[in-house]
Amino acid sequence: DGGITQSPKYLFRKEGQNVTLSCEQNLNHDAMYWYRQDPGQGLRLIYYSQIVNDFQKGDIAEGYSVSREKKESFPLTVTSAQKNPTAFYLCASSLISGNTIYFGEGSWLTVV
Amino acid sequence: KQEVTQIPAALSVPEGENLVLNCSFTDSAIYNLQWFRQDPGKGLTSLLLIQSSQREQTSGRLNASLDKSSGRSTLYIAASQPGDSATYLCAVLDTDKLIFGTGTRLQVFP
Repeated sequence: DGGITQSPKYLFRKEGQNVTLSCEQNLNHDAMYWYRQDPGQGLRLIYYSQIVNDFQKGDIAEGYSVSREKKESFPLTVTSAQKNPTAFYLCASSLISGNTIYFGEGSWLTVV
Repeated sequence: KQEVTQIPAALSVPEGENLVLNCSFTDSAIYNLQWFRQDPGKGLTSLLLIQSSQREQTSGRLNASLDKSSGRSTLYIAASQPGDSATYLCAVLDTDKLIFGTGTRLQVFP
């Protein structure tokens, strides 16, 4: 089935550790996005990429890093520099920027 | 800076009611507006996308309207069902980024 796969679904991390969230899509979409969602709040954009080997910072990029080496993959690394990383992380993609956007099922990250 | 607001934050209605969810945005220079549904602990599912040149879009029992000049969109749900219970979010495409509202949490009880 076509779609967006995020892994892991649940992740626990100790303070001071980096962690990488995986996002893979088989929709042949050019644009991919990472959002963060905190309880009772809307989604905030972390990073986005409109084409392979290129990405831009969103509104809350500090403490995060991404890569886009392949069209279908857009991993997000939450670094130890992120002060409050516990949140629900959502990956999304669209054919091109501005088209209907499709989301993965999300990854819950808890820092202990 | 574009801001998106959704009212009400929560809504509880009996099954069968027709209902309206509201979304407002501060900058009318948008490319499109999308409505999404989110079930607890899940990702978002796109419901409707309205291009800036359109006035409304319909899908089944859902109808979304867009009034750019006033910075408003409404999502109309006809004959609500318990399965419609979820959080509904709107988002506007501003240059190349989607800006999301905080959502309306809907509960439809039998």
